[in-house]
Amino acid sequence: GAGVSQSPSNKVTEKGKDVELRCDPISGHTALYWYRQSLGQGLEFLIYFQGNSAPDKSGLPSDRFSAERTGGSVSTLTIQRTQQEDSAVYLCASSQRDRGRRTNEKLFFGSGTQLSVL
Amino acid sequence: AQKVTQAQTEISVVEKEDVTLDCVYETRDTTYYLFWYKQPPSGELVFLIRRNSFDEQNEISGRYSWNFQKSTSSFNFTITASQVVDSAVYFCALSEARLSGGYNKLIFGAGTRLAVHP
Repeated sequence: GAGVSQSPSNKVTEKGKDVELRCDPISGHTALYWYRQSLGQGLEFLIYFQGNSAPDKSGLPSDRFSAERTGGSVSTLTIQRTQQEDSAVYLCASSQRDRGRRTNEKLFFGSGTQLSVL
Repeated sequence: AQKVTQAQTEISVVEKEDVTLDCVYETRDTTYYLFWYKQPPSGELVFLIRRNSFDEQNEISGRYSWNFQKSTSSFNFTITASQVVDSAVYFCALSEARLSGGYNKLIFGAGTRLAVHP
């Protein structure tokens, strides 16, 4: 697509429910990132994918959070047993970078999913 | 520890005024990248500039200019003759090249909300 697409744009859920957030990166972009933007913590790195593998998951806040990427394209971020502190905007970004290049490249961000846990 | 500080939480100016957004960073690495992103009300972060730690040359792009000074660990952003369309939240970010593969594990500042009034 023309840009990074995220769905849903808004999600309201009850505490304890599971949620799935989807990211469609720009076609051909091999790198994909999830970031979280919250009032208390600002913008935080969650996870990085290169292709379908995630060499850096260090930003996932707890084991309730997981993410996968299939076909080197779409990624899903899953939050199990949601808590109120999970309320935030979840941002996805993608970039075209080749394995081994050390360029700290420009990221293209989606508009995010606003998650509200009641 | 790595840290990015944007001390100005909010700035309000009148159209055509010049405005400077401050960014101070901390890192132990000798090789790193600095970024500025703009977040308009629509939510997606828009890349403005990337600067590596070995290039201290100031950059100008239209009404935007950046002043990178390693001696003071600062990477300030100036908008000349501001316009209403410049109203947004602006984020400064740091990425450290020592991380495996040089991918963009961005450390963001808290952001500066700029309001430009007609």
